[in-house]
Amino acid sequence: EPEVTQTPSHQVTQMGQEVILRCVPISNHLYFYWYRQILGQKVEFLVSFYNNEISEKSEIFDDQFSVERPDGSNFTLKIRSTKLEDSAMYFCASSEESPDTQYFGPGTRLTVL
Amino acid sequence: AQKITQTQPGMFVQEKEAVTLDCTYDTSDPSYGLFWYKQPSSGEMIFLIYQGSYDQQNATEGRYSLNFQKARKSANLVISASQLGDSAMYFCAMREKTSGSRLTFGEGTQLTVNP
Repeated sequence: EPEVTQTPSHQVTQMGQEVILRCVPISNHLYFYWYRQILGQKVEFLVSFYNNEISEKSEIFDDQFSVERPDGSNFTLKIRSTKLEDSAMYFCASSEESPDTQYFGPGTRLTVL
Repeated sequence: AQKITQTQPGMFVQEKEAVTLDCTYDTSDPSYGLFWYKQPSSGEMIFLIYQGSYDQQNATEGRYSLNFQKARKSANLVISASQLGDSAMYFCAMREKTSGSRLTFGEGTQLTVNP
C-alpha cells in the first residue's frame, strides 16, 4: 500500500542553524501539507501546497519557514534559523484531491539545542 | 472557543470489549468533514475513519464506527472488540470548507487496552 515517507526520522540541530525536512508524498497525490506537534500537545497545521505554490498557511508559518517541491517526488520544509521552540514532531501529509483524506507520514522529530 | 474538544485525556478498556472515544466540534460552516487518526507510541499518524457533514449514515471501517450526532455536534469513535494493538493516542480532527484544506485537531485521548 502506498505511503508517505519522511527523512530523517530524527534531526538534532543547534539553535540558529538551518534544517531541511524531506517528504515523499504518495505518488498520485497532488496536495501536500506540513503539520507539527510539540511534545504532549495537539497537531497543528502549518501549510498546504498545490501546483507548486502555497495554497494556505497558518499564523505559525512565518518568514523563517519555506516549502518547496524541488523535483517530481520530494516535498521539503525548510526552517531558516531554528529556535528552541521549533522542537517538535513535523508531519508531512498528502491527499489526492482537496478536500480529501490526508495521509500522514511517520514524522520527523526535530530537536533544537 | 475550541473547535474540537476531546474531554477524555485517558481511557481504559478490557481486551475484546467496545470503547467509545468522545469528540465534540464547533463550527458554523454547513459543509465540513470529521476525521479520526490513531497515533501509536511510535509516533506516526494513521487515518482511521471519515464522516462528511452531509453523509446520511454513520461511517464504518471494520472495527471502527463513527457515532455522528449532527444536532449535538458530536462525532464519537466506537472501537469494537478492542485489541492490545489498539492502545494508542486517538485524535479527532475537522476540516471546514471555509478553512480550505487544513485539519484542526483535538487534544487527543490516550486509550489503553488491558489484557
